[in-house]
Amino acid sequence: DTGVSQDPRHKITKRGQNVTFRCDPISEHNRLYWYRQTLGQGPEFLTYFQNEAQLEKSRLLSDRFSAERPKGSFSTLEIQRTEQGDSAMYLCAVDGDRKNIQYFGAGTRLSVL
Amino acid sequence: AQKVTQAQTEISVVEKEDVTLDCVYETRDTTYYLFWYKQPPSGELVFLIRRNSFDEQNEISGRYSWNFQKSTSSFNFTITASQVVDSAVYFCALNRAGGTSYGKLTFGQGTILTVHP
Repeated sequence: DTGVSQDPRHKITKRGQNVTFRCDPISEHNRLYWYRQTLGQGPEFLTYFQNEAQLEKSRLLSDRFSAERPKGSFSTLEIQRTEQGDSAMYLCAVDGDRKNIQYFGAGTRLSVL
Repeated sequence: AQKVTQAQTEISVVEKEDVTLDCVYETRDTTYYLFWYKQPPSGELVFLIRRNSFDEQNEISGRYSWNFQKSTSSFNFTITASQVVDSAVYFCALNRAGGTSYGKLTFGQGTILTVHP
């Protein structure tokens, strides 16, 4: 158990709908990261937070994507007006006790029909 | 820009064989970290090892060993006496040791390892 819970594990939605994913670290971690993994590829960085502040966003993160970490603990990732190309596994990670080692949650698999 | 290349898309071995997974990286940073992660069929990425750029000492952990060669920008991973439970996708990754974008991981495309009984 990495101590990172992601909900839901699977999400099926129709094109054009909005979806929201949640990432809950069990304990406090300064840094929280979101990655996206498409089939047959390695994870790709989307964005990260230092406490509540969102410090960097990838060019992969279009205007339809928004992420928050309101209290510096859990984080949400919302995708508006989903497209079929958004189908992927969305992974959340936090820095562990040893700095600069990221521990990942099990991910949310999104399927856009 | 950083880049990680895992040229082996798939490897298939029979149990008890040794197997080496290759990883080549590109970075302009002088200090950086290299990682290996394992992704079993359940999907969760499992951390295996972190190596910093100024420590080229090879590391062994049980059946796992890692060979870091800065001169060739390679960080290869060897499993000795492979077991069926080693079947998974293995990812090599890289990030900066400091400065902007610190912590952001750049992953390779992964190598699918299948160990047959």
